Amino acid sequence: AQKVTQAQTEISVVEKEDVTLDCVYETRDTTYYLFWYKQPPSGELVFLIRRNSFDEQNEISGRYSWNFQKSTSSFNFTITASQVVDSAVYFCALIGRGSQGNLIFGKGTKLSVKP
Amino acid sequence: EAGVAQSPRYKIIEKRQSVAFWCNPISGHATLYWYQQILGQGPKLLIQFQNNGVVDDSQLPKDRFSAERLKGVDSTLKIQPAKLEDSAVYLCASSGGTSVYNEQFFGPGTRLTVL
Repeated sequence: AQKVTQAQTEISVVEKEDVTLDCVYETRDTTYYLFWYKQPPSGELVFLIRRNSFDEQNEISGRYSWNFQKSTSSFNFTITASQVVDSAVYFCALIGRGSQGNLIFGKGTKLSVKP
Repeated sequence: EAGVAQSPRYKIIEKRQSVAFWCNPISGHATLYWYQQILGQGPKLLIQFQNNGVVDDSQLPKDRFSAERLKGVDSTLKIQPAKLEDSAVYLCASSGGTSVYNEQFFGPGTRLTVL
C-alpha cells in the first residue's frame, strides 16, 4: 500500500519567517517519485518539484528548498523568507512503480502568511 | 503554451440529476487524468486515459460515473445520477511523454455542488 502523510493541517507565519512543511510517505516500491504541488485560492494545482527515489540530493530553487531522506521516508519542503503570495495549500504526492501514474496525495497543509 | 482547460468552472445541481464536465488537455499530451478532490482532502484519481484507451479506472464508481476520451484529445466526465457525496472539485490533468512518472499539469477544476 502507498500512503502520504502531511501531519500539519494548517500553519500560520508572519511574512519573512522561514517555514517547513513536512511530508512522510510509505511505499514498498524501490522505484518511486515524489512531488510537491501548490494550490492557491484559485484552485489550480501548480507543479513545484519532482524527485526520484535514487536521488537524495537536496534541491534549492530560489526561496524554496527540499530535503529528501530515504532513511526516514520524508520529503520536506522549506520556504525561506516567506511572502504573502506563498499562502496556499501545499500537497505532497507519490507515484510508485506499479501505480501507472496514479498520484497518491497527502491531505495537504494550508499555509497562511500574514503581512 | 496553453494549459489544461476545463468547463464549466462551477455547477450546482439537485441530487439525482445528471452533470457533465469537459476537459481539453495540453496539446500533444497523450495521458489524461480525472481526479476528485473533496473539501479538505487531496485529489483522488478517478480515471486515467492513454490516448483514447483507459489505463486505470479502478476507483471510478462505475454505477454512476462514466468518462470518455474521443479521438484521444478532449475528455468528458459524466455523473448520472448525482448524489450529495459527489460534491467536490473535479480536476483534469495531463502529462506528456511515455513515462508514468512525468509531472502532471492540472486544470482549474470544476466545483460541483449537489443539493
